This record gives sequence, structure tokens and C-alpha cells, in this order.
Amino acid sequence: GNSVTQMEGPVTLSEEAFLTINCTYTATGYPSLFWYVQYPGEGLQLLLKATKADDKGSNKGFEATYRKETTSFHLEKGSVQVSDSAVYFCALSPRPRTSGTYKYIFGTGTRLKVLA
Amino acid sequence: DAEITQSPRHKITETGRQVTLACHQTWNHNNMFWYRQDLGHGLRLIHYSYGVQDTNKGEVSDGYSVSRSNTEDLPLTLESAASSQTSVYFCASSGRREGSYEQYFGPGTRLTVT
Repeated sequence: GNSVTQMEGPVTLSEEAFLTINCTYTATGYPSLFWYVQYPGEGLQLLLKATKADDKGSNKGFEATYRKETTSFHLEKGSVQVSDSAVYFCALSPRPRTSGTYKYIFGTGTRLKVLA
Repeated sequence: DAEITQSPRHKITETGRQVTLACHQTWNHNNMFWYRQDLGHGLRLIHYSYGVQDTNKGEVSDGYSVSRSNTEDLPLTLESAASSQTSVYFCASSGRREGSYEQYFGPGTRLTVT
């Protein structure tokens, strides 16, 4: 079946540090992959996505590359800010045409805390 | 701009009462979802719908029901609220954009059952 595994948190970094949040997946076929961010008291917001192998999604300084050979989609940012403190979710969406579903598979979320 | 809204944002109710949480989207999406979010459990899917008159059970559907009479709305009903249903509830809708189906989330409803 389909599943998403992401690193346990919390992750605590100093401002301007390099961020990596690991995400690996298992899936049949060729899913789309997503990172969502949830700020305190808010809903999830789409941060970036990649729809096929070797695609790189990027937004707001965050990047993630769809690696089919390692079944990974790690989130990276070169220099984090206090305002990046949030919970980050990795998610997978199977291809509806082959899976018959529009449901997502979410990871459990990783809390990031950035200290000034 | 299109959006997805939820109401109320906060609700306190008593055990045994029926509660309905509203979800309204103006994206004109066919697909809509209800999740609950609890510490240590991440997001769990309660019910989902792929169109008008279509509803399906998710992984934690016991004690919840939904109905879909139009494209815009998917209300979630707790038939007889229990303390175990204290949680934050998120509604989402999804549509195809740039090669994939993207989910858009509402701001959430914090429900407390006393």
C-alpha cells in the first residue's frame, strides 16, 4: 500500500541554519508528492509539489526533489528564519486514473522551531 | 478569490448533543474531505466526497456523518458527541492544477466536548 514516513520532531534550529526534513514514501505507480506547512492556529497550506521523478518543487526558499530511486522527497532550506517555525507535512497523492482515488496520504508532521 | 471556509471556528458542546460543522468552498471542486487533527496522530480522514450525492467513509468515520447536496458544501455531523471527539477539524477540497490534484484546507474548527 501507499505510505509516507517523515522524521520525528521537533526540530530546533538557530536562525540562518540549514534545514532538512526527511520524507520517504512507498507507493505503487507514479504519485505526486507535496509539502504542506501549518502555522499555529491555521489550516494547512500547500508549500510546494512535484509531479514526476527528478522534478524539483520550490517556494519561499524551500526546495524538495522527487527522487524515485530512493523514494524520497526531502524538504530543504538554506537559511531558516524565525517566521518558518511551523509544522511541516509531507504528502502523497496516487494517480487518480490508475488508483481511482483522490485521497492523500499524509506523514505525521514535523514541528520546526527556529530560535532568534 | 476562491476560498474554503469553516464555521464555527470554535465550539464547546456537551456529551450526547448533536453537532454540525459547516464547510463551504468556492473553488467549484468536486472532491471534498474532512480530517481531524490530534496530537500524536497527525491528520486522520473522517469522510470524503467526490461529487454531489456521493459520500465515503474514511479511516475514523464512526460517530460522524456527512451529506453532499451541492458542490459547495460538505457539512460534518457528530450524531451524539463524545469526549473522544474533542479535536481540531479541517475541511479540504481538491481540484486539478498543473499536473496534479492539489488539496486546499479551511482554517479549522476547534471542537471541545465536555
